[in-house]
Amino acid sequence: DAGITQSPRHKVTETGTPVTLRCHQTENHRYMYWYRQDPGHGLRLIHYSYGVKDTDKGEVSDGYSVSRSKTEDFLLTLESATSSQTSVYFCAIAVQGEIRYGYTFGSGTRLTVV
Amino acid sequence: AQSVSQHNHHVILSEAASLELGCNYSYGGTVNLFWYVQYPGQHLQLLLKYFSGDPLVKGIKGFEAEFIKSKFSFNLRKPSVQWSDTAEYFCASRNQNDMRFGAGTRLTVKP
Repeated sequence: DAGITQSPRHKVTETGTPVTLRCHQTENHRYMYWYRQDPGHGLRLIHYSYGVKDTDKGEVSDGYSVSRSKTEDFLLTLESATSSQTSVYFCAIAVQGEIRYGYTFGSGTRLTVV
Repeated sequence: AQSVSQHNHHVILSEAASLELGCNYSYGGTVNLFWYVQYPGQHLQLLLKYFSGDPLVKGIKGFEAEFIKSKFSFNLRKPSVQWSDTAEYFCASRNQNDMRFGAGTRLTVKP
C-alpha cells in the first residue's frame, strides 16, 4: 500500500525492556512520522523526520527516541518500555511527498507492554 | 497549539440514513483539513482533503465535506450510508509540519 511497511505487526514485551519499531518506505519521500493511537485520543504525533538525520519531537515524545540514517527507514525506539506505552503505533508518509495532500499510513504495530 | 474537536463519539444509523459528522478546528491561519476512515482492524485511509478553492470537497465512496471558515468547521456528510461504512472516522488539520487529529467518531450502520 503506497510502499510503506511496518515491522513487527504485533509485539508483546515486558516492562523495562527496549523495543524498536521499524518503518520502511519505498517512495523516497522526505517526511516521515510516527503516531500512536489510543481510544479517546485519536492519533498523537510522537516524532517526525524531515530528512536523513533530521528529526523533531511531536506532542507525546517523552519515553521515545527515533533515528533516520537512511531515507527509507525511520526507527522508533522505546528505551525502557512502560505499560502506558501499550498502544497501536502508525508510521506515515506524506502523499506524493507533499504534506498538504495528507498522509499515507502503514498497517500499524500493536505493542503490548506487560 | 492547534486542536481538532469531534463532538460525536459514537453514531448509530440505519442503512440509507443520511450522515453528518462534526469537526471543528482551532487554528485561525491557513490550514489544510482532512477526513480519514479506519475500517475495523485496518490503518487509516484518506477520504478527502481541503487546502484551497471550492469549500465543498468531494471524496471517495460518496463522502463530501464542507469547509466553513467562519465556523472553523469541516463537517463530513454522506446522503445515504451503507453497512460497509461502519468504521471510525477521524478529522485532521494541518499547519505546516503539525498535523493534529481529532479523537475520532465511531460510526455503526445497522443493516
